[in-house]
Amino acid sequence: GENVEQHPSTLSVQEGDSAVIKCTYSDSASNYFPWYKQELGKGPQLIIDIRSNVGEKKDQRIAVTLNKTAKHFSMHITETQPEDSAVYFCAASRRGGSQGNLIFGKGTKLSVKP
Amino acid sequence: GAGVSQSPRYKVAKRGQDVALRCDPISGHVSLFWYQQALGQGPEFLTYFQNEAQLDKSGLPSDRFFAERPEGSVSTLKIQRTQQEDSAVYLCASRIRGEGTGELFFGEGSRLTVL
Repeated sequence: GENVEQHPSTLSVQEGDSAVIKCTYSDSASNYFPWYKQELGKGPQLIIDIRSNVGEKKDQRIAVTLNKTAKHFSMHITETQPEDSAVYFCAASRRGGSQGNLIFGKGTKLSVKP
Repeated sequence: GAGVSQSPRYKVAKRGQDVALRCDPISGHVSLFWYQQALGQGPEFLTYFQNEAQLDKSGLPSDRFFAERPEGSVSTLKIQRTQQEDSAVYLCASRIRGEGTGELFFGEGSRLTVL
């Protein structure tokens, strides 16, 4: 089955700096790669996603890239702000199987220091 | 409300007790997922419903875990004879479509502590 590895597990940056989180996946049939943000005591919330027919996608301060050949994808947050502090999860899924069930990485705890 | 609602938010059970966790998905959402999230870990898949049909229960850790969605809306996850290793946050998520991939909308979870 699919396995998603995520690095780093913790990341501390100064406000205004960039943050990069990297993930790898094992199932070459995976075709959907969302990123979720989870704040303390809350459920995960989708912040951006990318499909396998696209190499990169940008939404304001967040950019994601996908390398299907290497089976890795990453998220880049620019101009970080204290409110970006949270746990971020990458995930992968594919059509078929359990109809789009997400396999999550173990998460990256991002701390943005003012 | 407009989002996925879960209850109770917190549940403390003595080992051996049965618990029931409820999920109200977003109205009209066809797909419903249950995940288990241990402390400091990512959510792990438990089971999936498409309307009232449970199409995948491969993630349920033992036969003590049972889920249902009898009318294709509200879902209940039941854990019988709880054990300490069952302590976790149980997340419910719904998706508008039944087929393919797409955004999952998560509830805030039910935190279960087994003493």
